[in-house]
Order: sequence, then structure tokens, then C-alpha cells
Amino acid sequence: EIVLIQSPTTMAASPGERVTLTCLASSSVNFMYWYQQKSSASPKLLIHYTSILASGVPDRFSGSGSGTSYSLTIRSMEAEDAAVYYCLQLTSTPWTFGGGTTLELK
Amino acid sequence: QVKLLQSGAALVKPGDSVKMSCKASGYTFTDHIIQWVKQSHGKSLEWIGYINSYSGTLYNEKFKSKATLTVDKSSSTAYMEFSRLTSEDSAIYYCARSRGYPYWYFDFWGPGTMVTVSS
Repeated sequence: EIVLIQSPTTMAASPGERVTLTCLASSSVNFMYWYQQKSSASPKLLIHYTSILASGVPDRFSGSGSGTSYSLTIRSMEAEDAAVYYCLQLTSTPWTFGGGTTLELK
Repeated sequence: QVKLLQSGAALVKPGDSVKMSCKASGYTFTDHIIQWVKQSHGKSLEWIGYINSYSGTLYNEKFKSKATLTVDKSSSTAYMEFSRLTSEDSAIYYCARSRGYPYWYFDFWGPGTMVTVSS
């Protein structure tokens, strides 16, 4: 099973600040997928195929990476971006999620 | 618009089973598959398995003896039954939509069904 480790576990960012979240895989994966979950809500697709923004996602979000190292970047933090972010690998089953990064507003 | 309507919260006793539903609307049900994901309280997400509209399934080995996925194509509804429940099964269970190979990612999620296992 491919294990995904996300870092940091928790962080706080000020409005306008650039934020980078990382996801490290225990084995190489073809692509990474990113989800945003706000409290009491279901996860929402942010990025697929490592760097493609899902429909309706603001372009301040971007994704990059390859092999075992991937990242999600928010160009300029906004209050509505406070949430938990998960990475997901679909390269080999069982498909696995990272442990999540909680992003708070400073 | 796309909707995945999940059944309501359930309170069940240890050792019992629970069956939850996920009714799809707003898209062609047979063009997509339904994924199931577990989220224990305050924790991350675990993939349970998926089912297509022709009842083809793939399970995470961890849940193979615990979960049974079925589908009723005529009503665009997928079901998941969880058996021999323990406190470890208390969680929110989400259904989500995927297009299937090679587009496996979950592009839309239901609101979740909360299951509480308690005597």
C-alpha cells in the first residue's frame, strides 16, 4: 500500500500570504489529486492529474510535483481557504489518502 | 445539477449490520461509478471500494469482509452494507462519483452518512 505523508500537519497563514502544502508518497505515483474539506462538509475536488484545476476552483490554487513529491500552493491566502487539505493517489490500489493538513487563518 | 443523496444517520448496536444508500441524480448514472469512503471522527479518509452500474466491484482488502456494495440501476441508487459492527466502524461514510478508467478521481461527493455504533 502506498502511504502518503502530508506536511505540515497544521499551519496558520495570514491573508495574502503564499502557502505551500506537501505530500510525500512511499512509492512513485503517476499523478496526485487534492481535496479541500471545510468543517462539517464533504471533501471537494481541487486539483486532478497533479496540476489541473477542477471546475470553479480559483486560480490562486496550483499543484505540481512528480514521482514521490507533490505540492499544493495557494498564491495568496484568503479567509475562505481555511480548511483541511488531503492528497489522494490513484496509481495503485488500495487507493490512499494523506493524513491531511489543517490550514488556519492567522 | 449533480446530486448524491445519502441516507440519514444511523445508531446501531455492536454486532449488527447497517445498510446505507446513495441516490444519484443530475447525470447519466451508467456513465459513472460510485466510490465509498470512510472518515472516522477527526481523522483522515479511507477508500472502501467502488461499484459500477453493472455491479462490477473493487474492494480495499481491508474492508472486503466488512462491506458489501450493491447497486440498483433502475433507481440510480448505490448501497453499502457494513456488517458485524464494532466501535471502530463509527464514522461518516461518503459516496462519491468517478467516471471510471482512466478517470478514477472522485469529482463529486455526497454529504455523508454518520454511523454510530453503541450499545
